[in-house]
Amino acid sequence: DSGVTQTPKHLITATGQRVTLRCSPRSGDLSVYWYQQSLDQGLQFLIQYYNGEERAKGNILERFSAQQFPDLHSELNLSSLELGDSALYFCASSAPGSTDTQYFGPGTRLTVL
Amino acid sequence: AQKVTQAQTEISVVEKEDVTLDCVYETRDTTYYLFWYKQPPSGELVFLIRRNSFDEQNEISGRYSWNFQKSTSSFNFTITASQVVDSAVYFCALSEAEGAQKLVFGQGTRLTINP
Repeated sequence: DSGVTQTPKHLITATGQRVTLRCSPRSGDLSVYWYQQSLDQGLQFLIQYYNGEERAKGNILERFSAQQFPDLHSELNLSSLELGDSALYFCASSAPGSTDTQYFGPGTRLTVL
Repeated sequence: AQKVTQAQTEISVVEKEDVTLDCVYETRDTTYYLFWYKQPPSGELVFLIRRNSFDEQNEISGRYSWNFQKSTSSFNFTITASQVVDSAVYFCALSEAEGAQKLVFGQGTRLTINP
């Protein structure tokens, strides 16, 4: 158990809908990262937050957004969902040091029908 | 741009055999970090090791060992006396030392250990 929690574990929804994925980092970690794992794209970095502020953006679609709250949990919002958004979404967290290891949560499997 | 290549898509061996997973990376950074993660059938990503670019010492942890060679930009992972529980997808990843520490992952190697 990495100490990173993600809810829900599974999510099934329809095209055009909006969903929110939630992540709680390990105790003491200030950074939260979101990654998407799909069959065609592999594991790709989406976005990073550090202590509430956006730090870096990767290949995140405009339909997707994220935020990190004062209690350091983070939410990834996916809207106008398409079939191609079906994937495993991981959250990871790391300690305050700039070069610390990222520990991953169990992931949320999103299925868009 | 950073890139990680895991040329072996799938490997299948019989239990107790030794197996090496290859990882080759590209980066312009002089300081960077290399990682291996394991993804068992249950789906989670489990951290195995982190290596700093300035430390080329090989590392051994039980049946696992890692060979880092900066000259060939490789960071290979060997499992000795493999076991069925080692069956998983293994990912090699790279991150820069400064700025955003996003991980750039290889495509993964699916390792199957047959009894």
